[in-house]
Amino acid sequence: GQQVMQIPQYQHVQEGEDFTTYCNSSTTLSNIQWYKQRPGGHPVFLIQLVKSGEVKKQKRLTFQFGEAKKNSSLHITATQTTDVGTYFCAENQGGKLIFGQGTELSVKP
Amino acid sequence: DTAVSQTPKYLVTQMGNDKSIKCEQNLGHDTMYWYKQDSKKFLKIMFSYNNKELIINETVPNRFSPKSPDKAHLNLHINSLELGDSAVYFCASSPGDSLNTEAFFGQGTRLTVV
Repeated sequence: GQQVMQIPQYQHVQEGEDFTTYCNSSTTLSNIQWYKQRPGGHPVFLIQLVKSGEVKKQKRLTFQFGEAKKNSSLHITATQTTDVGTYFCAENQGGKLIFGQGTELSVKP
Repeated sequence: DTAVSQTPKYLVTQMGNDKSIKCEQNLGHDTMYWYKQDSKKFLKIMFSYNNKELIINETVPNRFSPKSPDKAHLNLHINSLELGDSAVYFCASSPGDSLNTEAFFGQGTRLTVV
């Protein structure tokens, strides 16, 4: 199956700065999901995007699905220390979730 | 009430031993999974079950044998443990229909083989 590439692998920001993680695929994605895993925790579902060009917001988080459905991004405005963790994108491929490599976000107070 | 619960949370064992990890979900979901997360945090699917039937087996060594006695339970038995099996193993479940594919993860089992 196709692989979802996610960048960057790590991101260190100062509290209050913005953060973005990107997922890219060489083929069309049927859907994209985003998960957050806190240090020592388990992945927790954030959102699912299905439609081309879709944009969804959750407070300071903005999720986008590309027009060609080959990429997606998660943007956090004005990061807080509670945003620390690893953010994963994932595609549901015929009943199995294929995860990107994840972006580990650290926030310096 | 915990939606997806797996036990034990930590497991330290010697090479060559056999161990089991149990998973139960009380969400009424049809689909359950086992994922392996390595030291670089990469999440790789191992198995997927739908209504007790094996759907996906992702080239996992046959030392790993999943068992689903009913659709609420998916246990993982590992024979002849090797050092490379050290990882965090996550059980997950999802409704299983084409529209609702959100996965709910258990707390994870950190397996350390020494």
